[in-house]
Amino acid sequence: ETGVTQTPRHLVMGMTNKKSLKCEQHLGHNAMYWYKQSAKKPLELMFVYNFKEQTENNSVPSRFSPECPNSSHLFLHLHTLQPEDSALYLCASSQEAGDTGELFFGEGSRLTVL
Amino acid sequence: RKEVEQDPGPFNVPEGATVAFNCTYSNSASQSFFWYRQDCRKEPKLLMSVYSSGNEDGRFTAQLNRASQYISLLIRDSKLSDSATYLCVVNNYQLIWGAGTKLIIKP
Repeated sequence: ETGVTQTPRHLVMGMTNKKSLKCEQHLGHNAMYWYKQSAKKPLELMFVYNFKEQTENNSVPSRFSPECPNSSHLFLHLHTLQPEDSALYLCASSQEAGDTGELFFGEGSRLTVL
Repeated sequence: RKEVEQDPGPFNVPEGATVAFNCTYSNSASQSFFWYRQDCRKEPKLLMSVYSSGNEDGRFTAQLNRASQYISLLIRDSKLSDSATYLCVVNNYQLIWGAGTKLIIKP
């Protein structure tokens, strides 16, 4: 059983909808990440939070808005998305951002934008 | 040139065979290296770190060649359960991911 849980697992939304992805980690880690995974492409880092502070925003469009209320929870708020935003969104955690330890991933939220 | 490059495959290999694949990286200052495994429709999971001296974990052996800037993964006596996509990851103060090599083990 994964120590990182993501909800919802699947989401279909129209371009004008507003939705949120949720991630929770039960590992006592201090860093949390959002990644985007598109078919046959490398994982793309979107955001990094370390001790609740955003330390990385990888030039992500403003239609993606992250929120990290505490070290255990991470949200990704979505609004006015485009069809090319359809992908698997993976949340991950690690002991601290920038360390060379293991990343622990959730099972992902598969997003389809119509 | 991509920062981290992998042959996408798929590699179709009979059960029991040995299979190896490489990953090349462009930044010679890269500090650490990893192999992750991703099963179909699942999340990536760390398979092993890659050390300068090479390292082995059961049937899996990872090697680093800094001069030629590549890392390799060797799987001996392959099992059906080894079927997955293997992701190469390079740490340049930020983790840079390859797109993965798909491995299919056939009975």
